[in-house]
Amino acid sequence: QQPVQSPQAVILREGEDAVINCSSSKALYSVHWYRQKHGEAPVFLMILLKGGEQKGHEKISASFNEKKQQSSLYLTASQLSYSGTYFCGTEIYSGNTGKLIFGQGTTLQVKP
Amino acid sequence: DAGVIQSPRHEVTEMGQEVTLRCKPISGHNSLFWYRQTMMRGLELLIYFNNNVPIDDSGMPEDRFSAKMPNASFSTLKIQPSEPRDSAVYFCASSSTDPYEQYFGPGTRLTVT
Repeated sequence: QQPVQSPQAVILREGEDAVINCSSSKALYSVHWYRQKHGEAPVFLMILLKGGEQKGHEKISASFNEKKQQSSLYLTASQLSYSGTYFCGTEIYSGNTGKLIFGQGTTLQVKP
Repeated sequence: DAGVIQSPRHEVTEMGQEVTLRCKPISGHNSLFWYRQTMMRGLELLIYFNNNVPIDDSGMPEDRFSAKMPNASFSTLKIQPSEPRDSAVYFCASSSTDPYEQYFGPGTRLTVT
């Protein structure tokens, strides 16, 4: 049930680009992305909904391929502040309420 | 808004003792989630409530773990008796139905010796 993320870790220089992938063996209704900095709590980045709708707060883009049951997070022109662990979460519903199952995380380190 | 509040922030206890973790969700949010995070197992959902009612506790590892939400502004996660393998960071998160962003509290770092 847990989505699979790749790669497990990425090291970048400031200004470089990165892509983080998330795939699921189950049909996806939505994919959620969170970022966690060391010693802090996870923070919401964005939701991608079936049908193409996106809701997010930061200038980070993502795609959602419903057919392939995959999502990708695109970090372009990376900044030092992008460092952290990125989690994707897939939504599972029970009645009218849902829960997130998080992937194992992708650690991103941006160096000067 | 103060965000999700958790207490204590750090807890060190001896094996066999009872541990109670507390959470105050964001006012107006109707869903509350308890997570456990370890290096080995990642971020695991233990239990979640909707409108104060437990919906799914399938992630609760054993009967030693219990959670309650007596009202919309307070929840507890209790471990009795605690064991060294319970050592982890425990997060509480809350959300409204729409949008479904989860807001995490700062976490409680539990160490059981």
